[in-house]
Amino acid sequence: AQSVTQLDSHVSVSEGTPVLLRCNYSSSYSPSLFWYVQHPNKGLQLLLKYTSAATLVKGINGFEAEFKKSETSFHLTKPSAHMSDAAEYFCVVSDQNNDMRFGAGTRLTVKP
Amino acid sequence: SAVISQKPSRDICQRGTSLTIQCQVDSQVTMMFWYRQQPGQSLTLIATANQGSEATYESGFVIDKFPISRPNLTFSTLTVSNMSPEDSSIYLCSVEVRDGDRAIDTQYFGPGTRLTVL
Repeated sequence: AQSVTQLDSHVSVSEGTPVLLRCNYSSSYSPSLFWYVQHPNKGLQLLLKYTSAATLVKGINGFEAEFKKSETSFHLTKPSAHMSDAAEYFCVVSDQNNDMRFGAGTRLTVKP
Repeated sequence: SAVISQKPSRDICQRGTSLTIQCQVDSQVTMMFWYRQQPGQSLTLIATANQGSEATYESGFVIDKFPISRPNLTFSTLTVSNMSPEDSSIYLCSVEVRDGDRAIDTQYFGPGTRLTVL
């Protein structure tokens, strides 16, 4: 079975400072990994995905994530936070059957 | 990618009634999914809906409570039957799209339907 753990339920940063949202996964197979963002009263939007190509994945809005197999991690980062980045972020793991498992979510707050 | 719309976007319903949520996709897709997101929670898969076959329900969800239709490759409905306040959630439709040459499937989500049951 596969699973994903988002290590922080809430992260608060100041505008202009770096963002780090942590995600660890467990999978018996080479997984596909995704980050989705959900802004208030909005649906989920795909930020980026890892599918066994380059380990450093660049997504939309300046976000990127690095797949580290040795650490079973797929942390999401951004060099400089904007106010518009305030949202809920979900890390997702998918196996070879495309069975997706969602993390519990991390709420990002950006302070002015 | 895929563009997905859902109707209604939100509703407030009385206990004991039923609500049907519609999901429309701008392209033909084989696999469609229905998720529930309870307040402050992550997403939970309700069922997988493939065109031409019965929906497959996850543990804890049954067809009598959440009947699903999938009449064609661009449309699906989810009905929340005999509602109670515990059914108050956001219900999301998603589709799986194959990512070109690499044969990787990615899910895209609709905007969600916010349901409040009084």
